Amino acid sequence: EAQVTQNPRYLITVTGKKLTVTCSQNMNHEYMSWYRQDPGLGLRQIYYSMNVEVTDKGDVPEGYKVSRKEKRNFPLILESPSPNQTSLYFCASSLSGHHRGYTFGSGTRLTVV
Amino acid sequence: DQQVKQNSPSLSVQEGRISILNCDYTNSMFDYFLWYKKYPAEGPTFLISISSIKDKNEDGRFTVFLNKSAKHLSLHIVPSQPGDSAVYFCAATSSGYSTLTFGKGTMLLVSP
Repeated sequence: EAQVTQNPRYLITVTGKKLTVTCSQNMNHEYMSWYRQDPGLGLRQIYYSMNVEVTDKGDVPEGYKVSRKEKRNFPLILESPSPNQTSLYFCASSLSGHHRGYTFGSGTRLTVV
Repeated sequence: DQQVKQNSPSLSVQEGRISILNCDYTNSMFDYFLWYKKYPAEGPTFLISISSIKDKNEDGRFTVFLNKSAKHLSLHIVPSQPGDSAVYFCAATSSGYSTLTFGKGTMLLVSP
């Protein structure tokens, strides 16, 4: 089944403790992105990647890192999480660009206390 | 500065009638527009898109209309079904742009 898989689905952590949210897609898509969804703010792009080793900042990249060492994987790294990073995170992939329509994962609910 | 605006947080429609969801944008560089649907506890699902060289695109019950001069697009769902009840996001991007920008969403409730 074609899908984007994120793990974990739920995570509660403490301020300052490094964490990684994994994302994997099995569709051989070029583009991958991370979004966060917050009440009243909609979906905001954190980082995106156009291909292996090519990444760029979205609208809200502060406090996040990403890497794209393999085409299928695009992990999101929070080196020192803070409470304002409590959010619902979505990973997404697209065959060849933002305009082609993204396939989204099911989301990761992160709480930083 | 909100570049993609969905001014109606919610919309209620009866089954069988037309649902019209609206979206406005401010950035004249946008040349692709997309609609996504989102159910609770799931990721958004791509519905339909339109490029700026067109003013209409249809896919089954879903039609998107684009009015470039007004910087406005709308999604029409005809006929509406209870299973269409979800949050609908409008999004925009351009070939020369680095991001896909979403609106805040409109919650559609279709009652039987």
